[in-house]
Amino acid sequence: SQTIHQWPATLVQPVGSPLSLECTVEGTSNPNLYWYRQAAGRGLQLLFYSVGIGQISSEVPQNLSASRPQDRQFILSSKKLLLSDSGFYLCASTRVPEAFFGQGTRLTVV
Amino acid sequence: GQNIDQPTEMTATEGAIVQINCTYQTSGFNGLFWYQQHAGEAPTFLSYNVLDGLEEKGRFSSFLSRSKGYSYLLLKELQMKDSASYLCAVRIGAGSYQLTFGKGTKLSVIP
Repeated sequence: SQTIHQWPATLVQPVGSPLSLECTVEGTSNPNLYWYRQAAGRGLQLLFYSVGIGQISSEVPQNLSASRPQDRQFILSSKKLLLSDSGFYLCASTRVPEAFFGQGTRLTVV
Repeated sequence: GQNIDQPTEMTATEGAIVQINCTYQTSGFNGLFWYQQHAGEAPTFLSYNVLDGLEEKGRFSSFLSRSKGYSYLLLKELQMKDSASYLCAVRIGAGSYQLTFGKGTKLSVIP
């Protein structure tokens, strides 16, 4: 079965600082990969998905970006964090019908 | 656009049965999922329905009616550990396997 590694688990960053969250996948090749954000009191919001190396689709306009430098690596970045970027970020991989989630990164922007 | 509705919170008694409803209006439908998410943790897969009817898996069952845009998750013999948020998600499109999630239903199981 697939295993999603995501780090760090928690992160406190000041407004205006950069961000880099990394996700790696084990147990599969050529996975579809996703970044979701879960803000307090809100559902999981799809931010980016990727069907292959260098292929990124963005679902919502924002100051975040994503990259997929390797088949099983997916990175979420920002050049300058906003307070509204606080939330619980989840990386996911799919093998129909299931989606497998990493353990998440709780980001607090202060 | 996509719209998935489910109750915000529910409370049920240990040992009882609870039904969590989900209604959806989406452009394109390719399956409905239920996930369980304990506070501060990642969601875990519970069930998947793509055809109408009831899917049973142990204490958990999930029902789908595509014509009504309706699903429910049925939890039997509730245990305290079932206290969690339950997320309804719809897969749209056969290619990218994107999931659109509802806001989740927070279930509290009381003694």
